[in-house]
Amino acid sequence: NAGVTQTPKFQVLKTGQSMTLQCAQDMNHEYMSWYRQDPGMGLRLIHYSVGAGITDQGEVPNGYNVSRSTTEDFPLRLLSAAPSQTSVYFCASSYGHSYEQYFGPGTRLTVT
Amino acid sequence: AQKVTQAQTEISVVEKEDVTLDCVYETRDTTYYLFWYKQPPSGELVFLIRRNSFDEQNEISGRYSWNFQKSTSSFNFTITASQVVDSAVYFCALSILPDTGRRALTFGSGTRLQVQP
Repeated sequence: NAGVTQTPKFQVLKTGQSMTLQCAQDMNHEYMSWYRQDPGMGLRLIHYSVGAGITDQGEVPNGYNVSRSTTEDFPLRLLSAAPSQTSVYFCASSYGHSYEQYFGPGTRLTVT
Repeated sequence: AQKVTQAQTEISVVEKEDVTLDCVYETRDTTYYLFWYKQPPSGELVFLIRRNSFDEQNEISGRYSWNFQKSTSSFNFTITASQVVDSAVYFCALSILPDTGRRALTFGSGTRLQVQP
């Protein structure tokens, strides 16, 4: 099992550019989510999905879109990057009723 | 709304010392899960423990132990005989179980632990 994988590891964008952060898991987990980590603030939920075709907003969804066409993949799209979106992004997945979330290695994004 | 407070921003100890990381949480739900995650300098998040709200038994795993007290809404983490490899940022997190199925973790701001040789 590869677990939760994220690509790319690092990315630099200019203000206004768009891009997609990729997330995939091979554990057949029904639940997937995206968090951002900013210094001194812990992690905050951006979007989540409870299964293929179902997504919903988290705590800080503005400027991001998601879709879940398969159980395995949960990409995060930045529509028009802003410097405030400079952060480390983590994808996570969980199964059943355990509520234990497994995290990917993270993507460090810088918007200039 | 849920809230997790880790009042200790940074702790520095010398190897072999014991250290306790504090976590205080707020929720109106009676059913919830509490977690601790470790984030070493490499950046990944490593799951350490999960505790549900109905299980107040303390847990010990090697040099790690956890003290869950509902009366004070605390879930503290103790490392005994700390080692340099314990140097990391430690996060406490809370998850409730709403009907929506939303399994969001509410994180504390983290405690950076530095273990000096």
